[in-house]
Amino acid sequence: EIVLTQSPGTLSLSPGERATLTCRASQTISSNYLSWYQQKPGQAPRLLIYGASSRATGIPDRFSGSGSGTDFTLTISRLEPEDFAVYYCQQYGSSPPCTFGQGTKVEIK
Amino acid sequence: QVQLQESGPGLVKPSETLSLTCAVSGYSISSGYYWGWIRQPPGKGLEWIGSIYHSGSTYYNPSLKSRVTISVDTSKNHFSLRLTSVTAADTAVYYCARQAQLPTKKFDYWGQGTLVTVSS
Repeated sequence: EIVLTQSPGTLSLSPGERATLTCRASQTISSNYLSWYQQKPGQAPRLLIYGASSRATGIPDRFSGSGSGTDFTLTISRLEPEDFAVYYCQQYGSSPPCTFGQGTKVEIK
Repeated sequence: QVQLQESGPGLVKPSETLSLTCAVSGYSISSGYYWGWIRQPPGKGLEWIGSIYHSGSTYYNPSLKSRVTISVDTSKNHFSLRLTSVTAADTAVYYCARQAQLPTKKFDYWGQGTLVTVSS
C-alpha cells in the first residue's frame, strides 16, 4: 500500500512569503499520477496541480509543483490572503488505486 | 461548465445503508471519464471510496470494498453510491468528482459535498 506523508502538518507564514509543502510517498510513483488540491473551510477541494508539475485551468502561476520518484513539492511563491487553506497531495497507482496525503494547513502567522 | 451535485439523506441509522446520487450537468457521462466518490470525516482528511468508468467498470478502496457499490445511469446522467452496514465512523462529508483517465487520474471537477451523519 502506498502511503503519502505530507509535511509539515501546519505552516505558519505571512502574506507575501514563500510556502514550500512536501509530499513523500512510501514507494516510487509515476510523476503522471501525482496531484495537489487546495481546500478552504466549507468548500470542496480544488485541483491545483496534476502530473506533479502541470497547473490546472485557471490556477495562478504563483503555484508550482515539482518532484519525482518518492518526493514531491508544492510551492506557492508569494502567499496571497486567499491562499491560506489546507493542501492535499493525491496519487493514483497500485492498491489502493487512489490515496490522499493527510494534508498541510497553511495558516496566517 | 461541468457541474456535479450530490443528493441523498443527511441522516442514516447505524447498520442501515447509505445511498447517495451525483447528478452531472455540462458533460455527458457516456462520453468518457471516470466518476468517483471521496469522503471527509469532520475535521479530518480525504478518503477515496471508489470510482466507476462510464462503461460501468468499477474499482474500490480495498478498506471499503466489501460494503460499497457504485453504479452509473447514463440515461439520467448520474451515478450513485451505496454503502452498507454503516456505523458512526462513516459520518462524513461525501463528495462526488470527475476523474480523468490515464495518465493523470486527477479529480478535476467536484461536487459541493453533502454531510451524512450516522446516528440513531
